[in-house]
Amino acid sequence: EVQLVESGGGLVQPGGSLKLSCAASGFTFSGSAMHWVRQASGKGLEWVGRIRSKANSYATAYAASVKGRFTISRDDSKNTAYLQMNSLKTEDTAVYYCTRSYSSSSDPFDYWGQGTLVTVSS
Amino acid sequence: SYVLTQPPSVSVAPGKTARITCGGNNIGSKSVHWYQQKPGQAPVLVIYYDSDRPSGIPERFSGSNSGNTATLTISRVEAGDEADYYCQVWDSSSDHHVFGGGTKLTVL
Repeated sequence: EVQLVESGGGLVQPGGSLKLSCAASGFTFSGSAMHWVRQASGKGLEWVGRIRSKANSYATAYAASVKGRFTISRDDSKNTAYLQMNSLKTEDTAVYYCTRSYSSSSDPFDYWGQGTLVTVSS
Repeated sequence: SYVLTQPPSVSVAPGKTARITCGGNNIGSKSVHWYQQKPGQAPVLVIYYDSDRPSGIPERFSGSNSGNTATLTISRVEAGDEADYYCQVWDSSSDHHVFGGGTKLTVL
């Protein structure tokens, strides 16, 4: 059974930092690209960024709204992806989902976690 | 950046056909994926690569993509299909993934 389990969400003050984790099981994690997608309350889905596999040089890409503040990494030995969020703003408040795509950049997001809530507020 | 445009809402009676559009510049040249999201739940892939269905998704769900519009079609709509639906593509020029704004499907 495929599982993606996010953790690390919580309340943080503006300007603060938070690191989310995504523990994967049930599929070949090392060969997959891992993405983070967020959703503010009552709003639509927003792609945050992605890290590709070792075979694709662990290439990362980020949405303009988070570039320079967020960093995605992975530890294939632990089947875990991470989202380091720095200089957080109130507009970063959202549920953050971990999701994966198989290999090609155009592949769909076929597995999703249940999401973890990040609240940025003073 | 690439923009995908969806109608905010679509309403349909049970047993009828719902069509949800996703507009984008020459979207027919891209691969479009569709996700269903019910309240309080994570999104679920319902159509990938324009018209393929993952296992477990009913045949009532189908997709097409041509020109500047991709369409998700749900035949014989059921109450359980009520949800938000999102289209998504990968924009090769920016290496970014893009979601449409989402469409709320209401079953009357």
